[in-house]
Order: sequence, then structure tokens, then C-alpha cells
Amino acid sequence: KNEVEQSPQNLTAQEGEFITINCSYSVGISALHWLQQHPGGGIVSLFMLSSGKKKHGRLIATINIQEKHSSLHITASHPRDSAVYICAAVNTDKLIFGTGTRLQVFP
Amino acid sequence: DSGVTQTPKHLITATGQRVTLRCSPRSGDLSVYWYQQSLDQGLQFLIQYYNGEERAKGNILERFSAQQFPDLHSELNLSSLELGDSALYFCASSVGTGTSGTSYEQYFGPGTRLTVT
Repeated sequence: KNEVEQSPQNLTAQEGEFITINCSYSVGISALHWLQQHPGGGIVSLFMLSSGKKKHGRLIATINIQEKHSSLHITASHPRDSAVYICAAVNTDKLIFGTGTRLQVFP
Repeated sequence: DSGVTQTPKHLITATGQRVTLRCSPRSGDLSVYWYQQSLDQGLQFLIQYYNGEERAKGNILERFSAQQFPDLHSELNLSSLELGDSALYFCASSVGTGTSGTSYEQYFGPGTRLTVT
């Protein structure tokens, strides 16, 4: 079993839909990253959080340390949100990555 | 633009060869991390340097080595290359190192795509 699990693996949505991607981890962490990887390959860090909730534009990330679970929400999804979203648990200084969620948003 | 640069962008080489990938961290960042992303293994942590010293090691093969220089740029050396080493190699940088329990944002470079033929 992977130390960091994501669901779903693939997600298709219509423009405007509310999207949720889930991440569960089994290791001790000091923080958790949400990353976005576009088809070109580049990785962008969306959030780093260790408790509670963070919001940036249409993106919201939450984490529940007791339940070892984090979610990434996208409100009013748009085709430009199409990408792979990866959660990564911070264990000392090492990032342990989930397998990613491939999101496609259609107009 | 994250401020992290990596060269080269693409590298095509033959099995058995040796290559060097280069990473320059964001101005002011002391930590450099190397990651490998292959189709079958996903993203994996390889190694971390902080201010010139190795701080953490992940799934890095013995054929691979890295170092961080006094100007804080880092190089990842891959030798005796095999077909399975074909992957995207990312470096990331951060201000500090998390060994004291504090976590720092990591900023990713654009990656080097290595193809071994």
C-alpha cells in the first residue's frame, strides 16, 4: 500500500462544476503540498499546509491531521484547470508523492 | 516562473553513458532537492542538499550522485545509464531545511527530460 493515496485517479468535469480531489496518508508529516503539473511537464506548488484550510482564488485546500486526510477543491472549474494534481506529504525533508489525479475540464 | 533554473531541458544519450544535470536554486534558497518522475514509478525523491551538505537521501541509485557547490547550484550525475533511467528530473529549492520540524515551501524547476536510447 502506498504511503500517500489519492482519489480519484482520473476526473472529468464540465466547466463550472465543483471538483474535489482527496489525499490520504499513512506516515507522520509536518506538512502537505498540493502540486499542479500541466501537460508540458512543469510543476507548480499550489499550497503547502500543516493545519486547517487555505484558499487561493478558486482553489481551496483543507487538511485534517487527526484523520490523515487532505482535500483540494476547485470551485467554478475551467478548462485551463485541466492538469494532473499531486499531493505530497512532507516527512522530515522528504516529499512522498501520491500518484496524481488527472483532471480534464470540458467547455 | 519559479526562479529555479535547470539545464539542459532535454538530453538524449545512449546506454552506458554518463550525464550531468544542473540546477540553480532561487536567489536566497539554501536547500536543493532532486526528484525523478518516470512513467512507471511516478515522482520520487532522490536527494537533498542544504548549504553544501547532503541532508536527506531517498531512492537514489548508487550509479547516481549529486553535489551542491559553494555558489549553491547543484549537479546530479547519472552514470552507466540504462533505458529505465529515462525520466523527467526535477530540482526544487527552498529557503531552509525541515529537519527541525519546520516545513518550507518548495519551488520547482522546469525539469530536464532525459531519454536513454
